[in-house]
Amino acid sequence: EPEVTQTPSHQVTQMGQEVILRCVPISNHLYFYWYRQILGQKVEFLVSFYNNEISEKSEIFDDQFSVERPDGSNFTLKIRSTKLEDSAMYFCASSEERTGGGFGTQYFGPGTRLLVL
Amino acid sequence: GEDVEQSLFLSVREGDSSVINCTYTDSSSTYLYWYKQEPGAGLQLLTYIFSNMDMKQDQRLTVLLNKKDKHLSLRIADTQTGDSAIYFCAESPGYSTLTFGKGTMLLVSP
Repeated sequence: EPEVTQTPSHQVTQMGQEVILRCVPISNHLYFYWYRQILGQKVEFLVSFYNNEISEKSEIFDDQFSVERPDGSNFTLKIRSTKLEDSAMYFCASSEERTGGGFGTQYFGPGTRLLVL
Repeated sequence: GEDVEQSLFLSVREGDSSVINCTYTDSSSTYLYWYKQEPGAGLQLLTYIFSNMDMKQDQRLTVLLNKKDKHLSLRIADTQTGDSAIYFCAESPGYSTLTFGKGTMLLVSP
């Protein structure tokens, strides 16, 4: 069964460093997303991406964040100048287009646990 | 803004039924989802229901939707120890993103 994959599974970085989290969405999906889950808290939406551009972003997704689809398979989240409060599990998700418009059911990857020291 | 609320914890014995409840505020919610998260793992889609449905059954899982009260429940029949996990309710208006609840930790004891 096709699945969303993410690398790395864990990342430890120093405050102020840049990190790139990578995702390979399900191959026929057209919508891509990043969510994060700070330990013990809700899963929060960061950004959605469709047709090579950001379609929606939350207030969390400020200028330190960026997303890219550098080729036909990868979808990346870059965090510039990481802060302690960026420590969280970051989930990538993808969905196909629903018949009649709008995105379909979102399938999540296993997550990347980011720890900023 | 939209909000999704769930009780935080549920403990049942193996073989019993579990019922996890969720309430939401967004009246434009079109799709409602249940995801399962096992320790250290990602979010696994369990099931979803479209807002024009009252009930959906999928093997041991039964989803009930009361749209008037904005109440969603997930019933797991014959709960097993392997069902121990955190269960997240999430809603979407269908053209936008998911809003999640905080999750209900289900503990199944032998």
